[in-house]
Amino acid sequence: GQNIDQPTEMTATEGAIVQINCTYQTSGFNGLFWYQQHAGEAPTFLSYNVLDGLEEKGRFSSFLSRSKGYSYLLLKELQMKDSASYLCAVLDSNYQLIWGAGTKLIIKP
Amino acid sequence: GAVVSQHPSWVICKSGTSVKIECRSLDFQATTMFWYRQFPKQSLMLMATSNEGSKATYEQGVEKDKFLINHASLTLSTLTVTSAHPEDSSFYICSASLLALSYNEQFFGPGTRLTVL
Repeated sequence: GQNIDQPTEMTATEGAIVQINCTYQTSGFNGLFWYQQHAGEAPTFLSYNVLDGLEEKGRFSSFLSRSKGYSYLLLKELQMKDSASYLCAVLDSNYQLIWGAGTKLIIKP
Repeated sequence: GAVVSQHPSWVICKSGTSVKIECRSLDFQATTMFWYRQFPKQSLMLMATSNEGSKATYEQGVEKDKFLINHASLTLSTLTVTSAHPEDSSFYICSASLLALSYNEQFFGPGTRLTVL
């Protein structure tokens, strides 16, 4: 079956760095997405990785290792507004998005 | 660019009534639209994929006669929850994809919160 695993909840301090991991087992791979979702709102796009390596975009970076079925989202200089759920999703061979359950990130002052 | 809207943002209805939710791509033509449902503290659950001019493809366990999807144009898809019951109360989110993009990014609408009394 297809499976995406990410931690249920993480806590970090304002100004610090946090890494949210995602491992996946899917039928085929056409890329991995990270989305941010604030409570009661729809997801918003953060990043897309299809090649191995690190993609940096401001305070957020996303890493992919296809051979290991592994990705992480790195958030630097954490701000209170970064408190949200972070969803990992993989595009499988049929171009269907397989979603992880999301990681709730709690930022403390 | 790539803005998706949903209407209504929230709706409260009585059990047994039907509710229609609209999803529009405002500044692009979306060949494919997706409907998701999300229960509190859970991830997105894909309900169905709809392509303009053809019947929607429903995920396993989703009743096609209860959740009617119409994708009449390249900018509009509708989801009708028929004979709604309290267990249908959820956050319904649509998304649209630009197939021209090689990675098929989905752009999400703001969601519709449905409460069935």
